[in-house]
Amino acid sequence: AQTVTQSQPEMSVQEAETVTLSCTYDTSESNYYLFWYKQPPSRQMILVIRQEAYKQQNATENRFSVNFQKAAKSFSLKISDSQLGDTAMYFCAFAYGGATNKLIFGTGTLLAVQP
Amino acid sequence: GAVVSQHPSRVICKSGTSVKIECRSLDFQATTMFWYRQFPKQSLMLMATSNEGSKATYEQGVEKDKFLINHASLTLSTLTVTSAHPEDSSFYICSARDGTGVYSPLHFGNGTRLTVT
Repeated sequence: AQTVTQSQPEMSVQEAETVTLSCTYDTSESNYYLFWYKQPPSRQMILVIRQEAYKQQNATENRFSVNFQKAAKSFSLKISDSQLGDTAMYFCAFAYGGATNKLIFGTGTLLAVQP
Repeated sequence: GAVVSQHPSRVICKSGTSVKIECRSLDFQATTMFWYRQFPKQSLMLMATSNEGSKATYEQGVEKDKFLINHASLTLSTLTVTSAHPEDSSFYICSARDGTGVYSPLHFGNGTRLTVT
């Protein structure tokens, strides 16, 4: 079974600083995909960034980047130049090819950006 | 961009009654939709996968007869909570996949807060 673990229930960062959110996963699949989603107080799920496991190059999206360590099954999210609007719950998620392609979420990290 | 509409956003019902939640893909056809349940300050737990024209696939521990899922068209999936009880109170979120591959965009509805009194 696939599992996704986020060991940091809550984190805080000062505005304009950098913060890294941790995520580890466990799977026996060789071809899979990893995602970071953001859930602000509105509860709307927003895709932040995604990574294909077969790609060694780390994905980046503006201020967001990942550190993907396949051997260690680690997929951390780095947020640079943190903004107040980044305050949200962040979920790491895993999906693999198959009949349903379902998305499995981690436990989440509540990030608070302080002014 | 693609939008998933979920309705209602909030519903309060009495114990023993049934509640239907709709999930619509507004500008794309969704052959697969997913239903999640989220408790306060917790993660999204996948309840079931809904495939158009076929029976839903439920996750282990989810009661099929309590949470009825119907995906009758490529743009609509419904979740019916039957004989609701207070422990069914939760936040329910649907998502729809725009495409067939696992890397296809997954769009989420805004969720439904169900309160059973």
